[in-house]
Amino acid sequence: AQKVTQAQTEISVVEKEDVTLDCVYETRDTTYYLFWYKQPPSGELVFLIRRNSFDEQNEISGRYSWNFQKSTSSFNFTITASQVVDSAVYFCALTDNYGQNFVFGPGTRLSVLP
Amino acid sequence: GAGVSQSPSNKVTEKGKDVELRCDPISGHTALYWYRQRLGQGLEFLIYFQGNSAPDKSGLPSDRFSAERTGESVSTLTIQRTQQEDSAVYLCASSGLAGPHTGAAQYFGPGTRLTVL
Repeated sequence: AQKVTQAQTEISVVEKEDVTLDCVYETRDTTYYLFWYKQPPSGELVFLIRRNSFDEQNEISGRYSWNFQKSTSSFNFTITASQVVDSAVYFCALTDNYGQNFVFGPGTRLSVLP
Repeated sequence: GAGVSQSPSNKVTEKGKDVELRCDPISGHTALYWYRQRLGQGLEFLIYFQGNSAPDKSGLPSDRFSAERTGESVSTLTIQRTQQEDSAVYLCASSGLAGPHTGAAQYFGPGTRLTVL
């Protein structure tokens, strides 16, 4: 069975600090996809990134970066120089090759204080 | 439309009544998903459609819950004889790629907040 664990329930940082959100997954599939979503206070989930299991290159998009390590089954998300607008709940998710078994982690609530 | 839309945005109902929640996916998206999110909780998968068939109904919490989809467009989630524990935000998502080797991202609607009194 697939499972996503986000051990950090809540994180608080002060603006401009860097913060890393952890995601550990379990799957028996050899081909799978990992995602991060942001859910701001408005409630609507926003897609951030998709990564397939064959691509272990780290990715950077502005202040966001992702570290995918198959050896530790982790797909961690780092926000550099955090801003108040980054405050949200962040969900890590996993799906199989067919996009059917979509499993979300419990989410990490990030609060960035001014 | 430009994104996934859901209606109504808010629904307050009395225990025992039936409710229908509607989802309009992004045009052309073949896959459609329903999730439930209780207050302060994560997402709970309910059902997945590929076209108008539902290969995975495993997440529906009881036989009071049902869903249908017309072609590759609108989907309706129906909850019969609502209970207070059904109170949650019901989220719909669609994705554009079908079949294997896709793992397409899901794009979410704003949700319907259901309150059962």
